[in-house]
Parts: sequence; C-alpha cells; structure tokens
Amino acid sequence: GESVGLHLPTLSVQEGDNSIINCAYSNSASDYFIWYKQESGKGPQFIIDIRSNMDKRQGQRVTVLLNKTVKHLSLQIAATQPGDSAVYFCAESPSWGKLQFGAGTQVVVTP
Amino acid sequence: DTAVSQTPKYLVTQMGNDKSIKCEQNLGHDTMYWYKQDSKKFLKIMFSYNNKELIINETVPNRFSPKSPDKAHLNLHINSLELGDSAVYFCASSQTRGGLVYGYTFGSGTRLTVV
Repeated sequence: GESVGLHLPTLSVQEGDNSIINCAYSNSASDYFIWYKQESGKGPQFIIDIRSNMDKRQGQRVTVLLNKTVKHLSLQIAATQPGDSAVYFCAESPSWGKLQFGAGTQVVVTP
Repeated sequence: DTAVSQTPKYLVTQMGNDKSIKCEQNLGHDTMYWYKQDSKKFLKIMFSYNNKELIINETVPNRFSPKSPDKAHLNLHINSLELGDSAVYFCASSQTRGGLVYGYTFGSGTRLTVV
C-alpha cells in the first residue's frame, strides 16, 4: 500500500477527458524514453516508448511527445478511464540498458 | 504465463540475516536487471547482466550480490540485512536488437521488510 506521508504530484482528471502528464528529463545524451504505469502493489507496466530520432509516437489511446531542445517528454491519454488511475513514470536511458526514472505522477480519474 | 516472475513476493526478515530473491524471465531476452523502489516510489537501477555478464553495477553496498546462472535467471543475494534495505525490489528484462534495447519488461516486485 501507499506510504504515510507520500506526496507525489497528482493529476485529477474527469472520466472521458484527455490527460497530459509531463516529464522533464535530465540527460541530453539520453536516446531512449519509456512511459510506465504502476498500479498499487504491481510492477511498472510498459505503456509506450520513443527513441530520440522521433518527436511523436502514437499507441492505442496514448501519444508520447519528445522535445529534445528543452528536454521534455509528455504522455497524452485520450478519453481517460477509471482503469487509467495509477502512478505514471517517465524513464530516460542515458546509457545502454540503464533506465533513469522520474519521480512519478499520480493520476486520479474521477467519475 | 508470467513474463518476468520473482519469488518471493513478500519477505520479512530480521536485521543481520542473509536472504535471496529469485527472478526468471520466459521472454527469451538477453539482458536482465535489478531495480530498487524506495518508500517514496523512486526507482533506481542496481545491476544488469547481458548474456550472463555483469554490465551495470551501480553504487550498491557489496552486501548485495547478483548471480546469473543463465540468460533466463538473475538472482539477488543480500548479506547482513539492514533496516535501510527495506524496499520493493524489481527484476526486469530486455532484448537487444541492432544494438538497441527493446521490450523492457518488469516483474511484479518483491517487498522486503527488515525488522
């Protein structure tokens, strides 16, 4: 369960609305980025990835945007559903195989 | 079938004990990893093995020793457990193609509590 006193940035979204989760990454050498979703008591679940030679990639209901100039990554979720409630992490790969994770954003979907 | 499976799921043990966590992947991946997630949900890489060879070894106390008997398994042994070792430990795996990493998949975690 959640730790007492844990305060992640929280995004509250109404069901059916679009969500945008933002992430600033730190290493300009990073060439691979992944978004993960983590539900309580479970491991990070892969959502979508993007390599540095692209600036946009779309999946099912999700879009990742990469802006290398300002080292910014975003995840857009279309028509947010209650099952999308979770903690979302962006991860950058500053060197082969290594993932460096952001702090996480708690997404809460309200009916 | 679970792609990346870890055992045990929960581990409660006393300070000073030695314990192991096991990980197996059935994805045919060539690289495996251990990550630690602290109470603030911060995830940090500890180790990585590629084809049984240690390739990433972050600043981790030498009480932690990974062992990879084959490409599908990566175990984590921890000696002389301390209170600060309490965390959730995640195993992960990925496949290399053309020098790039693909399919980075995590297990469901092992919650270690040291009392």
